[in-house]
Amino acid sequence: EAQVTQNPRYLITVTGKKLTVTCSQNMNHEYMSWYRQDPGLGLRQIYYSMNVEVTDKGDVPEGYKVSRKEKRNFPLILESPSPNQTSLYFCASSLLAGGLTNEQFFGPGTRLTVL
Amino acid sequence: AQSVAQPEDQVNVAEGNPLTVKCTYSVSGNPYLFWYVQYPNRGLQFLLKYITGDNLVKGSYGFEAEFNKSQTSFHLKKPSALVSDSALYFCAVRDPNAGGTSYGKLTFGQGTILTVHP
Repeated sequence: EAQVTQNPRYLITVTGKKLTVTCSQNMNHEYMSWYRQDPGLGLRQIYYSMNVEVTDKGDVPEGYKVSRKEKRNFPLILESPSPNQTSLYFCASSLLAGGLTNEQFFGPGTRLTVL
Repeated sequence: AQSVAQPEDQVNVAEGNPLTVKCTYSVSGNPYLFWYVQYPNRGLQFLLKYITGDNLVKGSYGFEAEFNKSQTSFHLKKPSALVSDSALYFCAVRDPNAGGTSYGKLTFGQGTILTVHP
């Protein structure tokens, strides 16, 4: 089944404790992206990647890191989480054929709480 | 910089009535526009997109959207709403003419909660 998976689905942590949220897709998509969803603010793009070893900042990259060492994986790293990073996080992927015209496939989300 | 606005936080309609969820955008040139839907406790699902061509695009679940360049709008519509259409709807925009590190950005609106009453 074609899908985007995220782990963990739920995470409660404390301020300053490094964490990684994994994202993996099995559709051979070049483009991958991370978003956070907050009430009243919609989805905001954190980072995206056009292909292996190519990453760029979205609209809210502060406090986050990403890497793209393999095509299928795009982990989101919070080196020193803070309470304002409490949010619902989504990973998404899409093909790049045809430019950026393709729709994104979203993972199920990761609900992160930073105490 | 690209941006998108959904002016209504909530839209309420009766089942069987037509529905409209509004979206306006701002980009430097011709936009790529998308609608996504989020059902409770689920991820986002793609509904439809406008890239070029016909201003009226049709998508999943009977939804359609009309691209209006002069009004910079891309409103989502459905002729007859169902209770099962109740969900959170997001409009999103890409600027294919954006240069540099902005090329791959996708910007979402704040979302509109659609509630369809029986």
